[in-house]
Amino acid sequence: AQKVTQAQTEISVVEKEDVTLDCVYETRDTTYYLFWYKQPPSGELVFLIRRNSFDEQNEISGRYSWNFQKSTSSFNFTITASQVVDSAVYFCAFSKGGSARQLTFGSGTQLTVLP
Amino acid sequence: EAQVTQNPRYLITVTGKKLTVTCSQNMNHEYMSWYRQDPGLGLRQIYYSMNVEVTDKGDVPEGYKVSRKEKRNFPLILESPSPNQTSLYFCASRTGQGGYNEQFFGPGTRLTVL
Repeated sequence: AQKVTQAQTEISVVEKEDVTLDCVYETRDTTYYLFWYKQPPSGELVFLIRRNSFDEQNEISGRYSWNFQKSTSSFNFTITASQVVDSAVYFCAFSKGGSARQLTFGSGTQLTVLP
Repeated sequence: EAQVTQNPRYLITVTGKKLTVTCSQNMNHEYMSWYRQDPGLGLRQIYYSMNVEVTDKGDVPEGYKVSRKEKRNFPLILESPSPNQTSLYFCASRTGQGGYNEQFFGPGTRLTVL
């Protein structure tokens, strides 16, 4: 069975600091997909990124970047120059390749960015 | 606008009173699913449906029922709600069966069972 661990339950930073959210996964599958979702205080889930198991290239999108390392089974998320609007719960999730019945979510990391 | 809608958004009810949370998507997606979100546990899957008339249990199906009579709708039924079903519920849909495809989530339904 797959498992996703987000060991950081809560993180607080001051605006403009960089922050990294950790995600570690466990699987025996060779083909799989990893996702990050953001849940702002309003409650909806916002898709941020998807990565497949064959693509270990890091990705950058504005202030967001993701570091995928198969060797350590990690898919970490960094926010550069954090802003108050980044305050949210962030979820890492896993999906098997092929026909997949579900997303397996981590327990989430509550990020608070203080002004 | 492509979206997943859920109703109601908020519901307070009492133990044992049957309720239905509706979910509808307008993207012609084959796959639909229900998750519940609880503090410290993330989201856990309740039921899913790969297509019309095809449903199956997720990780936490006890106390819930679903049906998929039409492609766009996937209601969640609580026949006899109990306080441990107090939670935030999300409906999701995606195209096809592949795990690659992004799941689109509804806005959530916050349920309180007294």
